[in-house]
Amino acid sequence: ETGVTQSPTHLIKTRGQQVTLRCSSQSGHNTVSWYQQALGQGPQFIFQYYREEENGRGNFPPRFSGLQFPNYSSELNVNALELDDSALYLCASSLETGTQETQYFGPGTRLLVL
Amino acid sequence: QQQVKQSPQSLIVQKGGISIINCAYENTAFDYFPWYQQFPGKGPALLIAIRPDVSEKKEGRFTISFNKSAKQFSLHIMDSQPGDSATYFCAAWGGATNKLIFGTGTLLAVQP
Repeated sequence: ETGVTQSPTHLIKTRGQQVTLRCSSQSGHNTVSWYQQALGQGPQFIFQYYREEENGRGNFPPRFSGLQFPNYSSELNVNALELDDSALYLCASSLETGTQETQYFGPGTRLLVL
Repeated sequence: QQQVKQSPQSLIVQKGGISIINCAYENTAFDYFPWYQQFPGKGPALLIAIRPDVSEKKEGRFTISFNKSAKQFSLHIMDSQPGDSATYFCAAWGGATNKLIFGTGTLLAVQP
């Protein structure tokens, strides 16, 4: 086990709704990254937070937003859900940013948008 | 320039055989190349990683071969076991970004 937990494990939403996914990083890990993994694809980088500030973003629209809290937990928020947002959402924590630190992945939250 | 291309998409190997998965990249600024193993219902787990200053790295039955001039790297799983059946992702990091770029994955099935 990586020590990274995510909740909920599964979620069903309808198009247009908003969703909040949660992640609890390993204690002491200052960096959390979020990825979207569509079925049969590799994870795609959404964004990274370091010490509660956004520290890099992938090609995702602004309706994908995040927060990182001092207690090593974080959130991914998605507004105005679209059918294509159906995917496995992974968070990964690491000790620092800007280095080749190992990223420890959580088990993911599987989101289905109907 | 940000892509990592992975092949094959799926692979069937007999128990005890060698599994080989290949990846290629374009961005020469990449400087860290990990391989991840993912079982159904789980997040990816780091298997082994290499930097471009070495041509090979071995950890147990897992070996990464790295060809910097060809911008290619591969994962070799020796003495493949049914428990190795999983999806394998290559990835690359670097180029002034803080993100891992993943390949599309290889579904490995090791038959007993």
